[in-house]
Amino acid sequence: AQTVTQSQPEMSVQEAETVTLSCTYDTSESDYYLFWYKQPPSRQMILVIRQEAYKQQNATENRFSVNFQKAAKSFSLKISDSQLGDAAMYFCAYRNPLHYQLIWGAGTKLIIKP
Amino acid sequence: NAGVMQNPRHLVRRRGQEARLRCSPMKGHSHVYWYRQLPEEGLKFMVYLQKENIIDESGMPKERFSAEFPKEGPSILRIQQVVRGDSAAYFCASSLRYGYTFGSGTRLTVV
Repeated sequence: AQTVTQSQPEMSVQEAETVTLSCTYDTSESDYYLFWYKQPPSRQMILVIRQEAYKQQNATENRFSVNFQKAAKSFSLKISDSQLGDAAMYFCAYRNPLHYQLIWGAGTKLIIKP
Repeated sequence: NAGVMQNPRHLVRRRGQEARLRCSPMKGHSHVYWYRQLPEEGLKFMVYLQKENIIDESGMPKERFSAEFPKEGPSILRIQQVVRGDSAAYFCASSLRYGYTFGSGTRLTVV
């Protein structure tokens, strides 16, 4: 069975600095999707970034980028130039492309210090 | 496009009452998924529905929980005879094919 592990319950970073959130996963599949979602206090689940496993190039969305290490089954999220609005819970999720369920990590609470 | 609409946003029920949670998918989306989020945890899959069909309910508790997605109207997640352990945030997501869009969730509190 696939599992997703986020080993950092909480992280804090100074505004304008860079922070990296960790995620590891376990699967026997070779093709799959990985996601980072942001959940602010409003509770809305917002897609931050998505990575297809068959792509070697790391996905990037403005200040957000990932370090995808397929062999190590690692999928970390880097947030550059952290802003106060980045404060939220961040969830890593996995999906088999032939299936529809998202498998979620337990989340990392990101605190931004002004 | 209004996105995925869930209501109510907050729902308080006494033990033994019924809870009905509604989800209107994005316009044109025919797939609806329900997830439950317990405090300090990620989301857990409950059920996947298409119009008038339950495709996968493997994540639903065997008793008291049911879901439907009728031909007309929103998808409904129904919890009968609620207990304190049902307190959680319930999220609905919809998709056309593979990309999910989530609603803001319904926080159910059982007192």
